[in-house]
Amino acid sequence: DAGVIQSPRHEVTEMGQEVTLRCKPISGHNSLFWYRQTMMRGLELLIYFNNNVPIDDSGMPEDRFSAKMPNASFSTLKIQPSEPRDSAVYFCASSVAAGGDTEAFFGQGTRLTVV
Amino acid sequence: GENVEQHPSTLSVQEGDSAVIKCTYSDSASNYFPWYKQELGKRPQLIIDIRSNVGEKKDQRIAVTLNKTAKHFSLHITETQPEDSAVYFCAASSGGYSTLTFGKGTMLLVSP
Repeated sequence: DAGVIQSPRHEVTEMGQEVTLRCKPISGHNSLFWYRQTMMRGLELLIYFNNNVPIDDSGMPEDRFSAKMPNASFSTLKIQPSEPRDSAVYFCASSVAAGGDTEAFFGQGTRLTVV
Repeated sequence: GENVEQHPSTLSVQEGDSAVIKCTYSDSASNYFPWYKQELGKRPQLIIDIRSNVGEKKDQRIAVTLNKTAKHFSLHITETQPEDSAVYFCAASSGGYSTLTFGKGTMLLVSP
């Protein structure tokens, strides 16, 4: 298995533009997580899906952020409109079981820069 | 919700020395405590984890200890090597549908 695959690896966009980040979890994994990493705030959980259903989206900063998981092999995180403070590395992770009590496998991340 | 505090934020050691990173957590229901290593520009990767039914776990040069009464757990790295230089994150989860809460990370620098 190639692991968790994220695209794009880098994204530079102008303030106000829509940004879509993509994630393909490891086949057979039931849980998918979107994290945001910044120097100031560390690793923050944005949203968690189990069996394609959003379980916990309390970490989504505001209505500008949305996430979907239309099937077991694909998820998107969308920011519309983007703002400079959204600049961060966004990680997708998946795990075989529900919740956070098994190993989470992280993708390579998407480095987002909003100018 | 869970709150995980991690100390120190940076740690510099000489090659061959030991390194200890400490974390405390707030939710007494937490029962799973993994440690992740993140090299510069790379993804976090699990290096060791411990569950609440044991007090210590070792894997070659790394070990984790857990004190459930005091609600703290620690990562111990012995005989450090330059390739151990990275950011280390502790985390805690109470299982079920709860998710991992990460500490802020410790940047470990091992000088040759």
